[in-house]
Amino acid sequence: NAGVTQTPKFQVLKTGQSMTLQCAQDMNHEYMSWYRQDPGMGLRLIHYSVGAGITDQGEVPNGYNVSRSTTEDFPLRLLSAAPSQTSVYFCASSYHRTQEKLFFGSGTQLSVL
Amino acid sequence: AQKITQTQPGMFVQEKEAVTLDCTYDTSDQSYGLFWYKQPSSGEMIFLIYQGSYDEQNATEGRYSLNFQKARKSANLVISASQLGDSAMYFCAMREGILTGGGNKLTFGTGTQLKVEL
Repeated sequence: NAGVTQTPKFQVLKTGQSMTLQCAQDMNHEYMSWYRQDPGMGLRLIHYSVGAGITDQGEVPNGYNVSRSTTEDFPLRLLSAAPSQTSVYFCASSYHRTQEKLFFGSGTQLSVL
Repeated sequence: AQKITQTQPGMFVQEKEAVTLDCTYDTSDQSYGLFWYKQPSSGEMIFLIYQGSYDEQNATEGRYSLNFQKARKSANLVISASQLGDSAMYFCAMREGILTGGGNKLTFGTGTQLKVEL
């Protein structure tokens, strides 16, 4: 059972480049979300989805797009990367909208130069 | 205002001693959940313990217990018999709006770095 799989683990971008962070889960979770982790600021919610075809914004959505075409996948897109988006990104999912436990991926360390 | 406050940026504890990591929260919801996650130096997020606002007893999971004081809006994590492997960053988090749905959104505190010493 793979759980929540994030790719890539590391990425370096130049300002203005675009890229997609991939997230897939094999637990048939309804709920999926993206967080970013910055030093001294904990984890902050970027976007989330309560099911296929449904997405919504979190606390820090600017500069990021998401879509949820399948239950399994929830990619995060950076359309024009900025140095302020240098961070560690975590994807997380849970069985149900009100399930207590979030399962996290291993994270993607992104640097924007 | 911060929804989750962790006032201890760093803590030291001797091996085999107990340690309490503080967490206070702010919410107007009647139904909410409180979590603790551990993040070792390898970076993954490990779920430790959960407390629901209507749970009458404090949650326990092995060496972890959650000291839930609803009136004071605190949800401190107690680790008994600390081990070297407990050295990590610890995050307190809260989920609000359980009854209104809207997803399993967690708000995290800034974390406490725990170092267990011999």
